[in-house]
Amino acid sequence: DGGITQSPKYLFRKEGQNVTLSCEQNLNHDAMYWYRQDPGQGLRLIYYSQIVNDFQKGDIAEGYSVSREKKESFPLTVTSAQKNPTAFYLCASSPHRGTGANVLTFGAGSRLTVL
Amino acid sequence: AQKITQTQPGMFVQEKEAVTLDCTYDTSDPSYGLFWYKQPSSGEMIFLIYQGSYDQQNATEGRYSLNFQKARKSANLVISASQLGDSAMYFCAMREGEVIKAAGNKLTFGGGTRVLVKP
Repeated sequence: DGGITQSPKYLFRKEGQNVTLSCEQNLNHDAMYWYRQDPGQGLRLIYYSQIVNDFQKGDIAEGYSVSREKKESFPLTVTSAQKNPTAFYLCASSPHRGTGANVLTFGAGSRLTVL
Repeated sequence: AQKITQTQPGMFVQEKEAVTLDCTYDTSDPSYGLFWYKQPSSGEMIFLIYQGSYDQQNATEGRYSLNFQKARKSANLVISASQLGDSAMYFCAMREGEVIKAAGNKLTFGGGTRVLVKP
């Protein structure tokens, strides 16, 4: 079945360590996105990529980095510069060149806790 | 200013009754899309319904319908005949601009409404 796989589902790290969250999709979607969700709140856009080897900052990119070397993969690194990294991270994809609704499909999320 | 506002942090609804979740939006772009997503306690985001700014009819998908009032900039979600499995967080989201343009398809989300269905 086509979908988005995020790993790990749960991750614990010490303060000051960099962490990389994996996101892989087999939907043949052009565009991929990373969102952050804090408890009881909505999603905020961290980074997005419309095509391989290209990505743009979202609303809260500081302290995060991404790469898009393959169409299927869009890993997110949470660096030590991120002041409050404990959150739920959601990866999504969409057929960028679509029309109409062009719905975002989401992965199951990765919950990062910094101790 | 908030682009998507959901004023109801939480609601109780009796099983089999209908419930309306409010969403207002703010954009100056004539072309936009409005989405509703459901987030169960497991965390995944499930797409429910979509309304385009140029769509003449209100969108419907099974038990979900979207009450789109363009002049008032509101896009309320109506869930009919609530079921216990409808208990979840519900998010309204907006895409500004044409989806095929360079801006991509990034969405702005509201703060969500938690719905609890009572048996």
